[in-house]
Amino acid sequence: KNEVEQSPQNLTAQEGEFITINCSYSVGISALHWLQQHPGGGIVSLFMLSSGKKKHGRLIATINIQEKHSSLHITASHPRDSAVYICAVTNGGGADGLTFGKGTHLIIQP
Amino acid sequence: DAGITQSPRHKVTETGTPVTLRCHQTENHRYMYWYRQDPGHGLRLIHYSYGVKDTDKGEVSDGYSVSRSKTEDFLLTLESATSSQTSVYFCAISVKGTGVGYTFGSGTRLTVV
Repeated sequence: KNEVEQSPQNLTAQEGEFITINCSYSVGISALHWLQQHPGGGIVSLFMLSSGKKKHGRLIATINIQEKHSSLHITASHPRDSAVYICAVTNGGGADGLTFGKGTHLIIQP
Repeated sequence: DAGITQSPRHKVTETGTPVTLRCHQTENHRYMYWYRQDPGHGLRLIHYSYGVKDTDKGEVSDGYSVSRSKTEDFLLTLESATSSQTSVYFCAISVKGTGVGYTFGSGTRLTVV
């Protein structure tokens, strides 16, 4: 069973700061996913990565397969970025679903 | 965007009663999943389906059953609800070729009293 660890568990920052959330996993994967969940809200998929780096707006996700590690970066953070960010992995073909980290609770203060 | 709806959105039920949650998709995605989300545990897989009448257990399947008689519907049944099944339940579908991998339903908040 893959163990997915995220750090930090909680992060409070000021608007405009550069944010980094880390994720590590224990067993080789077919893909890694970053998800966003706003308070009381649903879950939105941000990125799916199997190698390298992806960028969408102010969000950047990177993965190092050899080190079994991924990072999610937020540039020029804004209060609307306040949410729980969840790392998840799929193994093999991914048919048997996602294994999740416990999430990082991010608060961006104005 | 893949259409996926869960019903009901909220439910309060009594211990010992059966409860069925529904997940409906509007496209013919093969893989569907039920997860529960609990503080301190995060999201955990209950059951998943890889086709009509094809289902398998996940990490926390005890006390739950599922059925998929049509591609678009995946039902989760709590056979005899217990307080430990108070949780938020999310359905998800695997959406290959989209670049993000999965789409989630809005969730069902279930309280067992």
